[in-house]
Amino acid sequence: EIVLTQSPGTLSLSPGERATLSCRASQSVSSSNLAWYQQKPGQAPRLLIYGASSRATGIPDRFSGNGSGTDFTLTISRLEPEDFAVYYCQQYGSSQLTFGGGTKVQIK
Amino acid sequence: EVQLVQSGAEVKKPGESLKISCKGSGYRFTTYWIGWVRQMPGKGLEWMGIIFPGDSDTRYSPSFQGQVTISADKSISTAYVQWSSLKASDTAMYYCVRLQSGVVPAAISDWGQGTLVTVSS
Repeated sequence: EIVLTQSPGTLSLSPGERATLSCRASQSVSSSNLAWYQQKPGQAPRLLIYGASSRATGIPDRFSGNGSGTDFTLTISRLEPEDFAVYYCQQYGSSQLTFGGGTKVQIK
Repeated sequence: EVQLVQSGAEVKKPGESLKISCKGSGYRFTTYWIGWVRQMPGKGLEWMGIIFPGDSDTRYSPSFQGQVTISADKSISTAYVQWSSLKASDTAMYYCVRLQSGVVPAAISDWGQGTLVTVSS
């Protein structure tokens, strides 16, 4: 089973700042089959990025993903008030889908 | 519009059985993988398993194999997850999810609203 480690656990930033979230896999994720999800309190998660770098429908272009192999990054270029949430990475390259532990982006 | 509508919250006692449901609409139910994700209180997301309603091919996370049963009734476009004997540690929010494609691997494109299961004596 591929283990995903997200860092940092918590990121404290101000609106307008840039956020960089990391997701590291215990082994290579095949074909960049990595996704990012956003979850706000009391809500279901929603898909932001799939295929490591493709934005899902309706996702603003301030969200971008990159990476391959074992190291992936989600970047939010300028934080908007609605972006403060928990972010999860997920690999779906193996037959066993796994999630990272999450990064909370909170207001500084 | 794709919709996944889950059954309502449940309060059960340890040892009881339970089956929760998820009705898909707005797409061809038999041609997309559908599955379940657990979120324990204050914790992260855990993938439980997926099923392809077209042929009932089912894949479980090793952590949930033998602990739950995932099924689907394509005649009513509904997926299920069931427990034969609940434990307090099954207390969680359970999300129904649909994958982006009928071909794995695929990311999760759609989420249900969640079903809160509380197991307490």
